Amino acid sequence: QQQVKQSPQSLIVQKGGISIINCAYENTAFDYFPWYQQFPGKGPALLIAIRPDVSEKKEGRFTISFNKSAKQFSLHIMDSQPGDSATYFCAASNSGNMLTFGGGTRLMVKP
Amino acid sequence: ETGVTQTPRHLVMGMTNKKSLKCEQHLGHNAMYWYKQSAKKPLELMFVYSLEERVENNSVPSRFSPECPNSSHLFLHLHTLQPEDSALYLCASSHLDRGNYGYTFGSGTRLTVV
Repeated sequence: QQQVKQSPQSLIVQKGGISIINCAYENTAFDYFPWYQQFPGKGPALLIAIRPDVSEKKEGRFTISFNKSAKQFSLHIMDSQPGDSATYFCAASNSGNMLTFGGGTRLMVKP
Repeated sequence: ETGVTQTPRHLVMGMTNKKSLKCEQHLGHNAMYWYKQSAKKPLELMFVYSLEERVENNSVPSRFSPECPNSSHLFLHLHTLQPEDSALYLCASSHLDRGNYGYTFGSGTRLTVV
């Protein structure tokens, strides 16, 4: 019940395209859904997060879409750039407890 | 810098050595974590300390020994490691009672066991 399943494991997108990464969860008590971005040689850094009271949150080129009934959420990167090439992790937690991370997606944006 | 500092950044050790990894945060967080990151398991939780007490130990071999002397410092003591322990070791901190629930990660220690 604590699992967060992330797909795809790897993704190649052309510059200017849309990158889409999906996550699914089972625990309906989860109330916080962040995405982390990790560049080589660095630790993951918080990119954007959403709570279940909204269906979408946008920050610049990054958008989280949240479907509470389907227990799914996704990250969309619009106008993807080579500098977006990184590993992305989704995560979920409930009531301030520990985060449960997805398995990660390695994104490569080709020039 | 993220506010979570890990030292050393790189470590090469023999299987008979004893070494320690250090993590320090001054963000006022009350929980600290050790993660192991490898190609096989992207983010593998090892230990959790909340208010300086260990609350989770995910079946980690005894050759890894954590220590949390206060809410700002976390150590991972290593002894008689195996080559398969080579990985990136990440420290993170958070405030478990605060609204944003976010983790702040350090840059990690790249460990190579020879």
